[in-house]
Amino acid sequence: GAGVSQSPSNKVTEKGKDVELRCDPISGHTALYWYRQSLGQGLEFLIYFQGNSAPDKSGLPSDRFSAERTGGSVSTLTIQRTQQEDSAVYLCASSREYRETQYFGPGTRLLVL
Amino acid sequence: KNEVEQSPQNLTAQEGEFITINCSYSVGISALHWLQQHPGGGIVSLFMLSSGKKKHGRLIATINIQEKHSSLHITASHPRDSAVYICAARPVNFGNEKLTFGTGTRLTIIP
Repeated sequence: GAGVSQSPSNKVTEKGKDVELRCDPISGHTALYWYRQSLGQGLEFLIYFQGNSAPDKSGLPSDRFSAERTGGSVSTLTIQRTQQEDSAVYLCASSREYRETQYFGPGTRLLVL
Repeated sequence: KNEVEQSPQNLTAQEGEFITINCSYSVGISALHWLQQHPGGGIVSLFMLSSGKKKHGRLIATINIQEKHSSLHITASHPRDSAVYICAARPVNFGNEKLTFGTGTRLTIIP
């Protein structure tokens, strides 16, 4: 079946602009995760959604970052007033149930000029 | 000191060699993930384990909870195994999904 998809695959924006990154998880997966991988850095947890529970936002680096998940499916990660240090690959993953194997999307490569 | 440390950072080996990648962690965990990141950037989850050993094909993952250490082994390594291997620790407290990642081990298998 279809895997996790993300769009856009690449995004170039100017400093100060807002961006929206989209994640379509595998159908039926209840858990959805966002991660960030900066150039030369390791993976970093951002936020986690499980069903209708309140999301775990503990990894969001600042209040410029927010995410929502509509109808328990598609998720959007929004970065407001982008900064150059936001440049990274943003990865989405989903799992069938809480704490099961995560399936990763291809990522969105964000470049803030 | 990072909470999750991997060694070696880089590893180059000849095709056919037995490969071991190590992961040590300093926090309590409920599970340890091993991920593979291909040169193109795609990430695949290889294993998730909380005790003992798991095997999938030529890949074997082990964990020693008391020693806070996990290893990923590759038998009969092949050039297609060339990738970055990342371990990640899942917190022990229920409801906390904030994985802590190691910095990765870059593996290159030479034909």
